[in-house]
Amino acid sequence: TQLLEQSPQFLSIQEGENLTVYCNSSSVFSSLQWYRQEPGEGPVLLVTVVTGGEVKKLKRLTFQFGDARKDSSLHITAAQPGDTGLYLCAGAWNAGNMLTFGGGTRLMVKP
Amino acid sequence: NAGVTQTPKFQVLKTGQSMTLQCAQDMNHNSMYWYRQDPGMGLRLIYYSASEGTTDKGEVPNGYNVSRLNKREFSLRLESAAPSQTSVYFCASRGRGSSQPQHFGDGTRLSIL
Repeated sequence: TQLLEQSPQFLSIQEGENLTVYCNSSSVFSSLQWYRQEPGEGPVLLVTVVTGGEVKKLKRLTFQFGDARKDSSLHITAAQPGDTGLYLCAGAWNAGNMLTFGGGTRLMVKP
Repeated sequence: NAGVTQTPKFQVLKTGQSMTLQCAQDMNHNSMYWYRQDPGMGLRLIYYSASEGTTDKGEVPNGYNVSRLNKREFSLRLESAAPSQTSVYFCASRGRGSSQPQHFGDGTRLSIL
């Protein structure tokens, strides 16, 4: 079983603060995805990273894939209450059909 | 666009009862998945189907069975529900390619008393 560890599990911050969420594994992934989930809904894809060292930006969100493709980070600049939710990383290995999900980071941004 | 549709949205069962969770997708995806989500544990894969006519066990298959009825539909059955199966169940589908996103339904919240 490939394991993905996310940290922190919970994060409560004020509007305007910056934050970083980490996703780490001992396994090498062929690709890694970040999802965001709101209460009562299923996860929705934010980004897919494929190449070691890759950086992708989505407005105030910056995603990075580690050089060795074993870890990833999500950085949010100037967080807003609308960023509140559960953030999940998920890794795929080889070219298989399965994803391994991390335990999630529950983010609350207070106005 | 409906995407992935799950029914029912909520269900309460007594220990030992059986039920089937339904899932259908309208995106012509080959792969479909069933996950359970428990607090602090992310999503754990129960079963998946890489294509019509095939199913494979995931990380936590015990106590569950699945049927890939056709390309659109993938059902999950609990033959004899146990309190440990209280969870939120998500169905997902994905198109070809390992970097393609999985598209999720809104989940079925299942409580077993």
